[in-house]
Amino acid sequence: SQQGEEDPQALSIQEGENATMNCSYKTSINNLQWYRQNSGRGLVHLILIRSNEREKHSGRLRVTLDTSKKSSSLLITASRAADTASYFCATDEEGGATNKLIFGTGTLLAVQP
Amino acid sequence: NAGVTQTPKFRVLKTGQSMTLLCAQDMNHEYMYWYRQDPGMGLRLIHYSVGEGTTAKGEVPDGYNVSRLKKQNFLLGLESAAPSQTSVYFCASIVGGPGNTIYFGEGSWLTVV
Repeated sequence: SQQGEEDPQALSIQEGENATMNCSYKTSINNLQWYRQNSGRGLVHLILIRSNEREKHSGRLRVTLDTSKKSSSLLITASRAADTASYFCATDEEGGATNKLIFGTGTLLAVQP
Repeated sequence: NAGVTQTPKFRVLKTGQSMTLLCAQDMNHEYMYWYRQDPGMGLRLIHYSVGEGTTAKGEVPDGYNVSRLKKQNFLLGLESAAPSQTSVYFCASIVGGPGNTIYFGEGSWLTVV
């Protein structure tokens, strides 16, 4: 069964607005990662947050992690049309020795120019 | 440095036919993975390998076999293709250890008719 569930499934915003996506997961984790996938392409790593971190920034990306609620959020600020893509969270289960990443179902983000 | 390369990129099979997908990485990564991605779903782990000569089952291993005879290559085989195996297949690799970035191939589109 899949570990992560993203919310919302789809999001449409105007260029310049902020986009927030949420991810919930089921088990204790070592870390949580966010990936981006453009249509017809492979996944590209965006950012990783460890289980002992609560917030992390990378450029226009801000990720939060609440291990008590088993949830994470990805905020993209000042969105651009080029940010249009699907975004997935993935978790690396605590105690796992194999780096098995379990992915959520994804959020499809459309940024209108 | 080509990263992770998958071949073929597209293939149409008839039910019952067999085929092999090849994944090659030139980053000397220990861990390699095969995922499938279906519409509206995230990536689901089929099989993975933690080193040359080793393989293990993921979430959805039935109908697939894998081999890792060389460190740089991870093969995914379908012995008797079924329409339910129509999907996009992604290979990925990672150097190992928690918190490292996974690198994905560009995907292989497989249709079973």
